[in-house]
Amino acid sequence: SQTIHQWPATLVQPVGSPLSLECTVEGTSNPNLYWYRQAAGRGLQLLFYSVGIGQISSEVPQNLSASRPQDRQFILSSKKLLLSDSGFYLCAWSVGAAYNSPLHFGNGTRLTVT
Amino acid sequence: RKEVEQDPGPFNVPEGATVAFNCTYSNSASQSFFWYRQDCRKEPKLLMSVYSSGNEDGRFTAQLNRASQYISLLIRDSKLSDSATYLCVVNTDDKLIFGTGTRLQVFP
Repeated sequence: SQTIHQWPATLVQPVGSPLSLECTVEGTSNPNLYWYRQAAGRGLQLLFYSVGIGQISSEVPQNLSASRPQDRQFILSSKKLLLSDSGFYLCAWSVGAAYNSPLHFGNGTRLTVT
Repeated sequence: RKEVEQDPGPFNVPEGATVAFNCTYSNSASQSFFWYRQDCRKEPKLLMSVYSSGNEDGRFTAQLNRASQYISLLIRDSKLSDSATYLCVVNTDDKLIFGTGTRLQVFP
């Protein structure tokens, strides 16, 4: 069966510090991978998605970046965090190129920028 | 107009009640639809897909109305454990767009 791992679960970082969140998927090949952010009391905002190694699409301008160095690995990074980067970050996967494929989420990382 | 809109609630209902949520979407080319459930401070989890003909899973029934561009979720015989936020999700151009969710609180 497929599983998705995301870490760390919680993170407190000062403004201006770097960020690296990692996500890996097991049990499937060539998944679509996604990074979402959920700010307090708000809906999920799609940040990045990837349909293959090295292929990243960015949905919103921001100081975050994403990389997909391996088929089942997705990394979210920042060189300098802002206060507004605080939120609940969720990695997710879906079956690649499927018409009717739901998302499966990791447990999320709760990031607080102080 | 937002791509996906939901009434934020909260819907406060007693155990055993029937409750229904609607969700409207703006893009008529949207291809697939889902309902997710999110518990407080947890990740969203797939509740059910929504098919054109409507579908049922136990106490939960989902309907799609393409002409009016909305989907609905009906929960019968509400349980305390149904208390959560229900997210409407629409797949357009291979991207899933989430609504902000409808909060349901079931009380004894």
